[in-house]
Amino acid sequence: KAGVTQTPRYLIKTRGQQVTLSCSPISGHRSVSWYQQTPGQGLQFLFEYFSETQRNKGNFPGRFSGRQFSNSRSEMNVSTLELGDSALYLCASSLAGDTAYEQYFGPGTRLTVT
Amino acid sequence: GESVGLHLPTLSVQEGDNSIINCAYSNSASDYFIWYKQESGKGPQFIIDIRSNMDKRQGQRVTVLLNKTVKHLSLQIAATQPGDSAVYFCAELSGGSYIPTFGRGTSLIVHP
Repeated sequence: KAGVTQTPRYLIKTRGQQVTLSCSPISGHRSVSWYQQTPGQGLQFLFEYFSETQRNKGNFPGRFSGRQFSNSRSEMNVSTLELGDSALYLCASSLAGDTAYEQYFGPGTRLTVT
Repeated sequence: GESVGLHLPTLSVQEGDNSIINCAYSNSASDYFIWYKQESGKGPQFIIDIRSNMDKRQGQRVTVLLNKTVKHLSLQIAATQPGDSAVYFCAELSGGSYIPTFGRGTSLIVHP
């Protein structure tokens, strides 16, 4: 069974631009969560989608948004990029999203904002 | 591969040694804990979990100890191998939440 895939793996953007990252969950998984990983703040929860609806949201500004499609694939968007948005963005999928231990993480997208 | 963080606590051990990685958690109401392993260029991977009604749980070559009095978790890895080299995170959850709050991580380096 294929794992969680994220595209692109690496991305360089300029301050003020916007970016869209993509996550394809494991086949059959309906929950997709997004996390931001930085050296300073560690791993922080962004939001979780289940059946095309945002079910949980972390403490991030409105510049961070996401969506989920009917095939469970998910995208996250960051508008008006800031230098501090440079991070590894991880997505994780699970069957129903109701058990943390069943989350499977993708390899992440490394975003660099210059 | 890419690094997952700078200025992480680092534990260096020789192959075959036992490793102990420590974690202090923040929320006294947390009732479920997970240890993750993150290798370079990969996302975190579940290793072992423990509920707050337990103080010890064993897996294959790994043991997690929980001390709720001092809000402390440890992960013991027996007979550490070079493939164990990674960053290890503890995560805490409470109140039935399935969204983990991650600790800062410890980098384990295993020398052959």
